[in-house]
Amino acid sequence: NAGVTQTPKFRVLKTGQSMTLLCAQDMNHEYMYWYRQDPGMGLRLIHYSVGEGTTAKGEVPDGYNVSRLKKQNFLLGLESAAPSQTSVYFCATTSGPPTDTQYFGPGTRLTVL
Amino acid sequence: SQKIEQNSEALNIQEGKTATLTCNYTNYSPAYLQWYRQDPGRGPVFLLLIRENEKEKRKERLKVTFDTTLKQSLFHITASQPADSATYLCALENTGNQFYFGTGTSLTVIP
Repeated sequence: NAGVTQTPKFRVLKTGQSMTLLCAQDMNHEYMYWYRQDPGMGLRLIHYSVGEGTTAKGEVPDGYNVSRLKKQNFLLGLESAAPSQTSVYFCATTSGPPTDTQYFGPGTRLTVL
Repeated sequence: SQKIEQNSEALNIQEGKTATLTCNYTNYSPAYLQWYRQDPGRGPVFLLLIRENEKEKRKERLKVTFDTTLKQSLFHITASQPADSATYLCALENTGNQFYFGTGTSLTVIP
C-alpha cells in the first residue's frame, strides 16, 4: 500500500500560471484535507472533503479550488498563482471519527516567481 | 480568535534527559488533542491522541497530559535519544472536521 501520495513533489511557476496538485490515497478514507505549511505559521487548512463529491473551505481558502470526483483523489487547483502561494503543500486523510488520526503525504514544494 | 501556541520554537536537551513540550490553546473546547512528529522534508506522522476525559496517555517513552481547565497539553519524551530530534506539532479538531495545528517545537537531542 502506498498510503498517501502527492504529485508533483516540486514545481516552479510564474505569477499568473495555473496548476493542479494531486493527492491520491489507497486507504479507503472518507476525509481528505489540503494544508499549506509556511515558516513560523505552522500547518493551515486550505480546503477539505468529508466524502466523494463534497468539499468545504478551511482557514485559508482564497486563491485555491478543490475537487473530489473520486473517493481516492483530492485535487487542489491554483487558477492564477501568486508569489504569496509559495509554500509546501500537504495532503492528509483520516477515516473520520472517533480516531481522526491524520495520515499525511510527503508534500509538494511550490515556488511562484 | 482561535489560537494554538507551542513553547519556544527550539528546544535543546542532553541525551538521556526528559524533553517537555507545551501546547496551549485559547478559544477552543476540543474533544481531543493530537501530537505529531515531523522530520525535515517530510509530512507529519501521528504519535498520540488524548481525549478530554483522559488526564494522561502513554506510549513507550512518550507521555501526554491534557488539562482542559488550563487549556494546556504537555508532551514528554523520557530517556531522549538523538533519533528523537525532530519538530513536534500539536493539533486540535474544531467542530466540523477542521484541524488546527500549532507552529511546532523543534527538538534537538545532543549526544
